[in-house]
Order: sequence, then structure tokens, then C-alpha cells
Amino acid sequence: GDSVTQMEGPVTLSEEAFLTINCTYTATGYPSLFWYVQYPGEGLQLLLKATKADDKGSNKGFEATYRKETTSFHLEKGSVQVSDSAVYFCALLSPIYSGGGADGLTFGKGTHLIIQP
Amino acid sequence: EAGVTQFPSHSVIEKGQTVTLRCDPISGHDNLYWYRRVMGKEIKFLLHFVKESKQDESGMPNNRFLAERTGGTYSTLKVQPAELEDSGVYFCASSLRQDYNEQFFGPGTRLTVL
Repeated sequence: GDSVTQMEGPVTLSEEAFLTINCTYTATGYPSLFWYVQYPGEGLQLLLKATKADDKGSNKGFEATYRKETTSFHLEKGSVQVSDSAVYFCALLSPIYSGGGADGLTFGKGTHLIIQP
Repeated sequence: EAGVTQFPSHSVIEKGQTVTLRCDPISGHDNLYWYRRVMGKEIKFLLHFVKESKQDESGMPNNRFLAERTGGTYSTLKVQPAELEDSGVYFCASSLRQDYNEQFFGPGTRLTVL
């Protein structure tokens, strides 16, 4: 079945540091890939997505590139802020009728990011 | 536009009791999903409705869980009888289409079974 593996953390960085959160996946067919973020006390929000190989998703200074050859979708940001402190979830969605998984998103365990001033 | 709402935000019950969680999706979203996150584990898919029909319930853990979506609007998830391992955060999400369209998540219901 489908699966997503991501570094769990917590990851603690200083403000303005460079961020990378690794995410790799196993899936049948060609899934769509997502990063969701959960800020303290809130629900999950879509941060960015990519639907095919070599696509780059970007939002709020965050980027991730769909790498089919390495089955990866690593999240990066050049300069993090205290307000980026949150839990980040990598997820995939298998294509309809792929026969490879359930209808819903498959999530990684989440990475708790802590940014210190 | 109102987002996905869930009720209650927290529920504490004793083992053997019944609990019903409610989800109101974004208006017009035919697709509704339930997920669960048990402490320390991944967020796991439970089931998917298209309007009032169960499209995929492969993630439902056992027959103590019953989900309904009468009329294709809001949905309920009933746990009867609740067990200790049912504790966790239950998320609901909705989307306009089933494909790579964004799923909008509610804030979740934290269920604690004592």
C-alpha cells in the first residue's frame, strides 16, 4: 500500500536559518503530493502541492519539488521565522482508479518545527 | 465562506459509552472524508463519502464505528461502545472533487476514552 516517510523531529532552528524537512513516499502509479501545516490550536491547512513529476509547489516562502526518480518531496525554506513554528505533514493522494490505495490522503507522521528567536 | 466545522471540539467519555462526532463540510462540497490521528501515529484515513454514499470505508477500524451522511450534507461518526484505543483526534475534511483537489480540514475533535 501507499506510505509516506518523513523526519519526525522535533526540529529546532534559529530564526533566519535554512529549513529542509525530508519526505519520501511509496505509491502505486503517480500520486499527487502535498504538504499540510498545523499551527498551534488550529486545523490542518494546505501549504503547497504538486501533481506531477518535476512540478514545484510554493507558498509563503516554502518550496517542494516532486522528484519521481527519488520518490521524494522535500520541503524547503530559505529563511524561517518564529511564526513558522508548527507541525508539518507530508501527504500523497493516489489517482482515482489506480487500484493502489484508499480514497483519502496518506500522511507521514508529521514534523514538529520549533523556531527560536 | 465558512470552513469545515466539527463538534464537539473535545469529548471525554468512559470505556463502553457511546460518542457521536459531527462534521459540517463546506457548502457545495460533495466529498467528505473522516481521518483519525492516534497519539504518536500518522493521520489515518477512515472513510470517504460522495454526497450521501460511502465511496470507500476501507479505513474504518471495526464495526464499533458507524458513519452516516444523511441528505449529503453534514456527517456523523458514532463510536459504540468506545474503547481505550479509540482515543485520538478525529478530523473531517471536504473537497469539491475527488482528485488532486484540495481537501479542507476541520479543527478536529479530540476524543479521550478513560
